[in-house]
Amino acid sequence: ETGVTQSPTHLIKTRGQQVTLRCSSQSGHNTVSWYQQALGQGPQFIFQYYREEENGRGNFPPRFSGLQFPNYSSELNVNALELDDSALYLCASSRLGGGGGETQYFGPGTRLLVL
Amino acid sequence: GENVEQHPSTLSVQEGDSAVIKCTYSDSASNYFPWYKQELGKGPQLIIDIRSNVGEKKDQRIAVTLNKTAKHFSLHITETQPEDSAVYFCAASWGGGFKTIFGAGTRLFVKA
Repeated sequence: ETGVTQSPTHLIKTRGQQVTLRCSSQSGHNTVSWYQQALGQGPQFIFQYYREEENGRGNFPPRFSGLQFPNYSSELNVNALELDDSALYLCASSRLGGGGGETQYFGPGTRLLVL
Repeated sequence: GENVEQHPSTLSVQEGDSAVIKCTYSDSASNYFPWYKQELGKGPQLIIDIRSNVGEKKDQRIAVTLNKTAKHFSLHITETQPEDSAVYFCAASWGGGFKTIFGAGTRLFVKA
């Protein structure tokens, strides 16, 4: 196990609603990245947070937003949910600036179903 | 845009045989190449990684090779066991994990 935790494990929402997913990073890590994994596909990079600021973003619309807190935990918020947002949402923690900062450790994910 | 192609999409081997999964990346700035194993209902688990200044790395039954000129990297699993059955993902990244691009995955079946 990696020490990265996510909540909730499963979630069902309806189209148009908003959702907040949470991630606690591994001890000693200062960076959290969020990924969307559709069924049968590889994870797609959403964004990364470092020192409480967005450090990079993939090809996702602004209705995907995030936060990082002083304890390095993070939230992913998705507004105006669409059916295609149904996926496994993964967070990964790493430590930038400490050497080997590219190494990311994933949590178990939150499975979101939008009806 | 940046892309990582992974082959094959499905691989079935007999227990004890070797398995090889190959990936090609497009972004020449990529300098870090991790491999992940994902079991059903779980998040990806890092199994081995290689950085661009190294051509090969081995950890027990698992090895990874990197050819920067050709932008190819491969995962080799020897003496496969049924518990190796899972989906394996390659990835390429730079900048401390920012812009990590994953392949589409290889579903490995190891038959006892």
